[in-house]
Amino acid sequence: RKEVEQDPGPFNVPEGATVAFNCTYSNSASQSFFWYRQDCRKEPKLLMSVYSSGNEDGRFTAQLNRASQYISLLIRDSKLSDSATYLCAVNGAYSSASKIIFGSGTRLSIRP
Amino acid sequence: DAGITQSPRYKITETGRQVTLMCHQTWSHSYMFWYRQDLGHGLRLIYYSAAADITDKGEVPDGYVVSRSKTENFPLTLESATRSQTSVYFCASSDRTSGNPYEQYFGPGTRLTVT
Repeated sequence: RKEVEQDPGPFNVPEGATVAFNCTYSNSASQSFFWYRQDCRKEPKLLMSVYSSGNEDGRFTAQLNRASQYISLLIRDSKLSDSATYLCAVNGAYSSASKIIFGSGTRLSIRP
Repeated sequence: DAGITQSPRYKITETGRQVTLMCHQTWSHSYMFWYRQDLGHGLRLIYYSAAADITDKGEVPDGYVVSRSKTENFPLTLESATRSQTSVYFCASSDRTSGNPYEQYFGPGTRLTVT
C-alpha cells in the first residue's frame, strides 16, 4: 500500500459546482498535512495546510479525519481557474529533516 | 524577492554525459530537497539536505550526487545520464524555524531530456 494515495481523477465538473477530493495516508503518526496545487507544466504550489480542527480559506475547506486516516479538500463555487492537479502531502513514517510524501495527484477540470 | 530558482529550465543531453542542475534559494531555509516528477509516479524524493554539508538519500538516489557547501545552493549532478533520468526535476526548500517546518516551497523546475 502506498503511504499516500489519491484518486487520480480526472474530475470534470461544471463551473459553480462543489467538488471534493480525499487523500488517504498510511502512517497514523503523521502530524503535518498539506494540499498543493499544480498547474500544467508548473511547479507545485502550497494551497493550504490542513489543521486538526479543519480550516477554510475562501472557497477552499480542508479537513482531517485521523480515525480513518484521510484528509479532504472541498472546493465550493468552482471557477475555471481552479482547473489543475491537486496534490496532497503528509509527513512520512518517522521522517526527519522535514520530509513529506506526496500523493500522485487528482486532476480537476472545470468546464464552462 | 527571488525565492527559489533553478537553472537551466530546459536541458537536452546525451546518454553518458554528466549534467548538473542548479538550485538557489534566497530565504536562508535550512532544508532543501530534490524531487523528480514522472507520469504515473508523482513526486519522488531524490536527495535532501538539512543544512550546509549535511545531505541524505531519498527514495530514488541512484545515479545522482548532491552537495551543499552553502546554505543557499543545492546542486544535483547526474554522473552519467541515462534515458530513464529523463524527467522534470524540482528543487524545494523549507524553513526549520518556521511555524511548520514541513511546508515546502518549490522552484520552477528543470525539464531534462536524455537522448
